[in-house]
Amino acid sequence: SQQGEEDPQALSIQEGENATMNCSYKTSINNLQWYRQNSGRGLVHLILIRSNEREKHSGRLRVTLDTSKKSSSLLITASRAADTASYFCATDGGNSGGSNYKLTFGKGTLLTVNP
Amino acid sequence: GAVVSQHPSRVICKSGTSVKIECRSLDFQATTMFWYRQFPKKSLMLMATSNEGSKATYEQGVEKDKFLINHASLTLSTLTVTSAHPEDSSFYICSATRGRDEQFFGPGTRLTVL
Repeated sequence: SQQGEEDPQALSIQEGENATMNCSYKTSINNLQWYRQNSGRGLVHLILIRSNEREKHSGRLRVTLDTSKKSSSLLITASRAADTASYFCATDGGNSGGSNYKLTFGKGTLLTVNP
Repeated sequence: GAVVSQHPSRVICKSGTSVKIECRSLDFQATTMFWYRQFPKKSLMLMATSNEGSKATYEQGVEKDKFLINHASLTLSTLTVTSAHPEDSSFYICSATRGRDEQFFGPGTRLTVL
């Protein structure tokens, strides 16, 4: 079953505006990651936030994590047309008994930034 | 950053044939590689986890005999779709990790089975 659930499923904004995408998950995690995917392409890692962190910044990206609510948000400030892509959150559910590290992806948010 | 390549990027084949997809970590040794499948406008679904020199671990519902995974070295894993059918048409993406956290993703392979 899907661990992460992003909302909104689709978001359309104008260049220069901020875009906020949310992700909820169900089980405990070690970390949560955000990825970007352009249509028909592979994934690009954006940012990783650990379970003991609450906020992280990287350039125009700001990620928050609320483990009590099992949710995370990705904020892209001053958006550009080139930010148009699908954005996915992915959770690492932990490493029990020496099992391999695995990511569970959410359904994604399709962001369209209009010039 | 670490680079992962996939080959081919796009393949079209006839029903009943087998198709091999390669995943390579170009500038690092990958402790583990993962294979995902993605349907149009959908999320990534993990198919299997692959470690060098050992058998792949498949996710529930993924047929081992249908999707053969060979992890020949620390930089190469292959996925073979055997006796392909139109319903196997999908976007297949691999990823590789060199540690416990970040996964580096390949550009994906678009498989179309006629």
